[in-house]
Amino acid sequence: AQSVTQPDIHITVSEGASLELRCNYSYGATPYLFWYVQSPGQGLQLLLKYFSGDTLVQGIKGFEAEFKRSQSSFNLRKPSVHWSDAAEYFCAVARGYQKVTFGTGTKLQVIP
Amino acid sequence: GAVVSQHPSRVICKSGTSVKIECRSLDFQATTMFWYRQFPKQSLMLMATSNEGSKATYEQGVEKDKFLINHASLTLSTLTVTSAHPEDSSFYICSARLAGDSYNEQFFGPGTRLTVL
Repeated sequence: AQSVTQPDIHITVSEGASLELRCNYSYGATPYLFWYVQSPGQGLQLLLKYFSGDTLVQGIKGFEAEFKRSQSSFNLRKPSVHWSDAAEYFCAVARGYQKVTFGTGTKLQVIP
Repeated sequence: GAVVSQHPSRVICKSGTSVKIECRSLDFQATTMFWYRQFPKQSLMLMATSNEGSKATYEQGVEKDKFLINHASLTLSTLTVTSAHPEDSSFYICSARLAGDSYNEQFFGPGTRLTVL
């Protein structure tokens, strides 16, 4: 069965600093990979996705993620964090029409 | 594009009553919609997959008689929590997949906060 691990439950960064959120997956083949962001009391917004091709994908709000097959990782990055980026971030994997599996989430706190 | 709405955003009900939550795809057709439940500070748990015009597929451990799902059109799915009890209090989120999508990309609604007194 596929699984997703987000090893960092909570991360605190200073505004303007760079950010990397980790995501590792377990799956027999290359899955479809997603990063979502959730603000308190809200649904999920898709930041970016990877299906195939270029392993560095650009998303909304200045985020990017890199798929590394050898490490089974899909880490999310942002060069300079803004206070409005404070939220919870979920990595997710899917393959075909199998159900999407979400990681446990990483809560990002941004210090002014 | 690809906007999903949910109604209501918040609902408070008495124990034993039933509550209906609507999920609509506003600008696209969704042959498949999904219902998730999210407990505080936890990830999303898939409850069921709803296909237009057919019975929903429930995940293991989800009571289908308690969580009734209807997907009567390509833009609307409803979740009815029957005889709600305090332990059903949670954040319910729906998502929708574009008709013809090959990658299982889902678009999420804003969620519904259910509180059962």
